[in-house]
Amino acid sequence: QVKLVESGGGVVQPGRSLRLSCAASGFIFSDFGMHWVRQAPGKGLEWVAVISYDGSKTYYAASVIGRFTISRDNSNNALYLDMDSLTNEDSALYYCAKASPSSSSQFFDFWGQGILVSVSS
Amino acid sequence: SYELTQPPSVSVSPGQTATIICSGNILGDKFVSWYQLKPDQSPILVIYEDSQRPSGIPERFSGSHSGDSATLTVSGTQTLDEADYYCQAWDRSIHWVFGGGTKLTVL
Repeated sequence: QVKLVESGGGVVQPGRSLRLSCAASGFIFSDFGMHWVRQAPGKGLEWVAVISYDGSKTYYAASVIGRFTISRDNSNNALYLDMDSLTNEDSALYYCAKASPSSSSQFFDFWGQGILVSVSS
Repeated sequence: SYELTQPPSVSVSPGQTATIICSGNILGDKFVSWYQLKPDQSPILVIYEDSQRPSGIPERFSGSHSGDSATLTVSGTQTLDEADYYCQAWDRSIHWVFGGGTKLTVL
């Protein structure tokens, strides 16, 4: 079965950096795009970034452009999110999510349990 | 900007039907998906492409889409269906967008 396990979260000071990782199993990782989605405390879901199956294409939410970088290592079935210049507004539960198989109907068919990032001085 | 609007909360008695509406301008030509979120659990896809149910999702979950509104219906609601539900749509220009979420209370 599909399994996505996030790691790397924690407490970080404003302006600092953090790298999140997501270990994937149960499917052919190199065949699918992957996303990061976050949920700030008391708020709704917010899409953060996506990377294509081969890593050649990436897209970001306006709120993180220039600060966050999504990448992947298909040889190790791993997804990453490098977060720079963190602010309090980046505090959230970050989910790794698998992209749907369809290119015309884009949704998230499997999710991890999430990893908490807290930006605080 | 593009926004999807959901009611903050919906309450229903066990066994009754819960209806959650998601609305948004230009939603008419986009597929809508729905997700169930429970505390300390991975989010679950319950409906995709407006009305398709993934494998393993109970038949009591159904979806529909008409014009600028999409609806998630939970028939014969059970206490275990109590959760937050989010609608989601995609467009090449807006990318992936979620509704604000609806807390379904079963009491």
